[in-house]
Amino acid sequence: IAGITQAPTSQILAAGRRMTLRCTQDMRHNAMYWYRQDLGLGLRLIHYSNTAGTTGKGEVPDGYSVSRANTDDFPLTLASAVPSQTSVYFCASSDGYRDTQYFGPGTRLTVL
Amino acid sequence: SQQGEEDPQALSIQEGENATMNCSYKTSINNLQWYRQNSGRGLVHLILIRSNEREKHSGRLRVTLDTSKKSSSLLITASRAADTASYFCATRVDSSYKLIFGSGTRLLVRP
Repeated sequence: IAGITQAPTSQILAAGRRMTLRCTQDMRHNAMYWYRQDLGLGLRLIHYSNTAGTTGKGEVPDGYSVSRANTDDFPLTLASAVPSQTSVYFCASSDGYRDTQYFGPGTRLTVL
Repeated sequence: SQQGEEDPQALSIQEGENATMNCSYKTSINNLQWYRQNSGRGLVHLILIRSNEREKHSGRLRVTLDTSKKSSSLLITASRAADTASYFCATRVDSSYKLIFGSGTRLLVRP
């Protein structure tokens, strides 16, 4: 593994189903983030974590939850998916001191 | 509403020309960053400028920051077809490490 990986690459999901998007980084960064990207709206922050064991809400947290049990993993869960959660989801991480964020390749999620 | 807004939303230029993109933001910032996104890919960091800096260079990139006007510009000189991408500004506004992204400028460089 080099950098950030996300899984799955894409997923089609029925409304009401539970879904967890996975994100793993091997850079030992202390901060991690989840964004969604919708056409014309840029990236919007869903949740973030400044360090293992802590999480915080971003701009659009409703309908999503995260956990940060260790430094490397930052899964994003949709408890009961709705069509408005159709989007491309990006995970990112940063060594907080350096500020630069490194992005994963994204997960394209479609909720029908 | 978003912290950063890029202008223009889309830009089409000929290879070899310079491309200028602008970003305006609303609140005081710690730093401002520019990222590039190729179609279907994740974002890639280009350059960071801190609130006490006015200009920064990296290769063919030049970034300026005017905190009195709450604006920044990204200049790409001698553009290449490979520069075709979307460009986003992002601001860090508080002690958290989180960034607020603008909606982006889509740049097309015609060969």
